Amino acid sequence: TQLLEQSPQFLSIQEGENLTVYCNSSSVFSSLQWYRQEPGEGPVLLVTVVTGGEVKKLKRLTFQFGDARKDSSLHITAAQPGDTGLYLCAGAANNFNKFYFGSGTKLNVKP
Amino acid sequence: GAGVSQSPRYKVAKRGQDVALRCDPISGHVSLFWYQQALGQGPEFLTYFQNEAQLDKSGLPSDRFFAERPEGSVSTLKIQRTQQEDSAVYLCASSPRQGENYGYTFGSGTRLTVV
Repeated sequence: TQLLEQSPQFLSIQEGENLTVYCNSSSVFSSLQWYRQEPGEGPVLLVTVVTGGEVKKLKRLTFQFGDARKDSSLHITAAQPGDTGLYLCAGAANNFNKFYFGSGTKLNVKP
Repeated sequence: GAGVSQSPRYKVAKRGQDVALRCDPISGHVSLFWYQQALGQGPEFLTYFQNEAQLDKSGLPSDRFFAERPEGSVSTLKIQRTQQEDSAVYLCASSPRQGENYGYTFGSGTRLTVV
């Protein structure tokens, strides 16, 4: 059983479209991270959010941490083929000695 | 090197064989983690080291799994008497230290296939 549920599991869109992926839990996390993973590679950290309600922007990517620190969303504006990959959210245990990962959202952006 | 290095990249083991997977973390990184990623799933925590001390091994699935980091740098994950359900990608990650602002840097993983 995953502590973090991600939706949708799969998303296939055309270049230029906007999208949002969600990461939900019934647990409260000290912080939450988003990673992107490409086939045959390890996950690469995109952002860490710590404060409830926090919003962070990274170029065309906008990350939000829920007020109660149980959920998060990732919004991509004007998606590009280079955004294709598996997007993973990960919540930190209280002592930060482990992260609990969701199952991921597999995004495919078609040119 | 600049990143986390794992070897081998691919390993095929016959059921019952012992395997050893190596992780070279980023130089100076205090924290080291092992994760297991099954096909189509997110990574699952196996174990955590702070320097040479193994502080959490709660995620190791059975006593056939053993990890060490004797000098606080390179780590080895050993799996004895491999079973088919051990087939997965084993990811190593390191972090400068424990804490909310220190994200992981992952290696590319070792893909283990048990036949």
